[in-house]
Amino acid sequence: TQLLEQSPQFLSIQEGENLTVYCNSSSVFSSLQWYRQEPGEGPVLLVTVVTGGEVKKLKRLTFQFGDARKDSSLHITAAQPGDTGLYLCAGAKETSGSRLTFGEGTQLTVNP
Amino acid sequence: DTGVSQDPRHKITKRGQNVTFRCDPISEHNRLYWYRQTLGQGPEFLTYFQNEAQLEKSRLLSDRFSAERPKGSFSTLEIQRTEQGDSAMYLCASSFRSSHLAGAYEQYFGPGTRLTVT
Repeated sequence: TQLLEQSPQFLSIQEGENLTVYCNSSSVFSSLQWYRQEPGEGPVLLVTVVTGGEVKKLKRLTFQFGDARKDSSLHITAAQPGDTGLYLCAGAKETSGSRLTFGEGTQLTVNP
Repeated sequence: DTGVSQDPRHKITKRGQNVTFRCDPISEHNRLYWYRQTLGQGPEFLTYFQNEAQLEKSRLLSDRFSAERPKGSFSTLEIQRTEQGDSAMYLCASSFRSSHLAGAYEQYFGPGTRLTVT
């Protein structure tokens, strides 16, 4: 069974602080995606990484894919209240029809 | 810009009733996925279609669940004889292979259907 573990599960910080969310697995993935989800809504795709060691930046968000394509991290610089939400990592394997295996998510709260 | 749409957004039903949900994917997307998400958890894969063919079903999917995508466009997910344990958010996603992302199928999710079984 593929398993993605995210840490931490909950994170409450003050506006302006930096944070990192981790996503780890013992399996190798063809690609890894990060999503953000608001209550009562579907996940919204933030980024896809496919190459080991790849780093992508999206404004204040930096995503990294591990060299072995088993893990990933999301770093947010100078967090803002608008960053509040559930952050989900999801891995896909070409051999599995690219269905996504999700982590349990990290609930981030940024307090003003 | 039309993304993935799902209908209804909310459904309350009594235990034992049948329910059907609909998903309309992004028009040029050939793959369609169904996931289920319970509170505090990430989505879990249920089944997926490539065009009209259902290619995989999760072992988690009981015989009471059935999905169709008759013309390779919209899809329906039916749950028969609903149980309280079926209460969850049912999410639909669609994708189309992007040639510039080797092996990557970016999936775009709809807003979900929240099912409550009383």
